[in-house]
Amino acid sequence: EDKVVQSPLSLVVHEGDTVTLNCSYEVTNFRSLLWYKQEKKAPTFLFMLTSSGIEKKSGRLSSILDKKELFSILNITATQTGDSAVYLCAGSSGNTPLVFGKGTRLSVIA
Amino acid sequence: ETGVTQTPRHLVMGMTNKKSLKCEQHLGHNAMYWYKQSAKKPLELMFVYNFKEQTENNSVPSRFSPECPNSSHLFLHLHTLQPEDSALYLCASSQDQGQASYEQYFGPGTRLTVT
Repeated sequence: EDKVVQSPLSLVVHEGDTVTLNCSYEVTNFRSLLWYKQEKKAPTFLFMLTSSGIEKKSGRLSSILDKKELFSILNITATQTGDSAVYLCAGSSGNTPLVFGKGTRLSVIA
Repeated sequence: ETGVTQTPRHLVMGMTNKKSLKCEQHLGHNAMYWYKQSAKKPLELMFVYNFKEQTENNSVPSRFSPECPNSSHLFLHLHTLQPEDSALYLCASSQDQGQASYEQYFGPGTRLTVT
């Protein structure tokens, strides 16, 4: 059975800290890994990763995929209170819907 | 504002009621999805429609009944629900379920409370 495991489940940091969120996956015929940010209701898309070792960046957020170790990380530098959210990781085989992890709840305190 | 809208945003219903959740996407996508999000659980896929045809029913109880009249609209009909069905119900759409890699766009969700 396909599964995605995220760690830690929750994290509290101070503004300005750098955080690393982890995602491991077991997805049959894996094609891509996606990261979402969920603040109040709907998840919003952050990154889609398909190739190993190529970092994707968007402002203070970056992510990288390791297809050999079946692992991805999401880094957030210089965290702000607005980064407080649940970060979801999902695996895709392309032919079946996304398999989501439980998420990491990040709290950034001033 | 995303290209996927859901109504109502909040719903409280008794166990004997019948109600429907509506989802509409304005993105020209061909695949639509219903997810259930309960506290402390991963997002659970419920149903998938691709080009209006149901392609996946993830062992969902029959008290949840989906309907997809066209590629832009998706409904979830609810009847005789249980309190444990209280959750956030999210609708999503994607270009095509069959693509090698795709991105799903989510609606804001309907917060359902069953009393």
